[in-house]
Amino acid sequence: DVQLVESGGGLVKPGASLRVSCAASGFNFGGSNMAWVRQTPGQGLEWVSSIDSTGDYVFYADAVKGRFTISRDNTRSSLSLQMSSLRGEDTAVYFCVREGDRYRYGEDPFDFWGQGTLVTVSS
Amino acid sequence: SFVLTQPPSMSVAPGQTAKITCGGFTPGLKNVHWYRQGPGRAPSVVIYYDSERPSGIPERFSGSNSGNVATLTISRVEAEDEADYYCHVWDSYRTLPMFGGGTTLTVL
Repeated sequence: DVQLVESGGGLVKPGASLRVSCAASGFNFGGSNMAWVRQTPGQGLEWVSSIDSTGDYVFYADAVKGRFTISRDNTRSSLSLQMSSLRGEDTAVYFCVREGDRYRYGEDPFDFWGQGTLVTVSS
Repeated sequence: SFVLTQPPSMSVAPGQTAKITCGGFTPGLKNVHWYRQGPGRAPSVVIYYDSERPSGIPERFSGSNSGNVATLTISRVEAEDEADYYCHVWDSYRTLPMFGGGTTLTVL
């Protein structure tokens, strides 16, 4: 079975840094594009960042560009999101998601989701 | 880019049909995907590539995409269908995934 297990969430102060990670299993991680999607409590879904299967191409939402860094380790089947200069508006559940593999990039659904890890930014 | 628009909420009686729309994307864009999210759960795909159903999704769920409006149709609605539903489409450059604001479906 496909599993995506996030970890690393918690309560941090504005301006702090935090790293969330995702352990993947049950599929060809090294052949899959991956992404982070977040959801503010009680609100909708917001794409944060994507990385292609090799790690050569990364994309970020304007709201996090310059502050967040996505990375992956295909030898460990893991995905990470390094977040710095955190703001209150970054408070959300962060989901690790896999992009479907019918197309090379940019047309597939997010076909598998982790359960999410809560990041709270508050003084 | 564009903003995907969904009705914030919808109520239907059991056995009736729910049609949730998603509009505002560039006309002609294909591959709209739909997710269902129950309380405290992660989203999961119910319709992908405009109208395809993943395995395990009942035939009551169907999708269409015409012009710049996509529609998720849930026929013979059941109590278990009560959830939030989101549409998702990639922008024209295939680099920016967009989500609709979500529709809360209430089964009366």
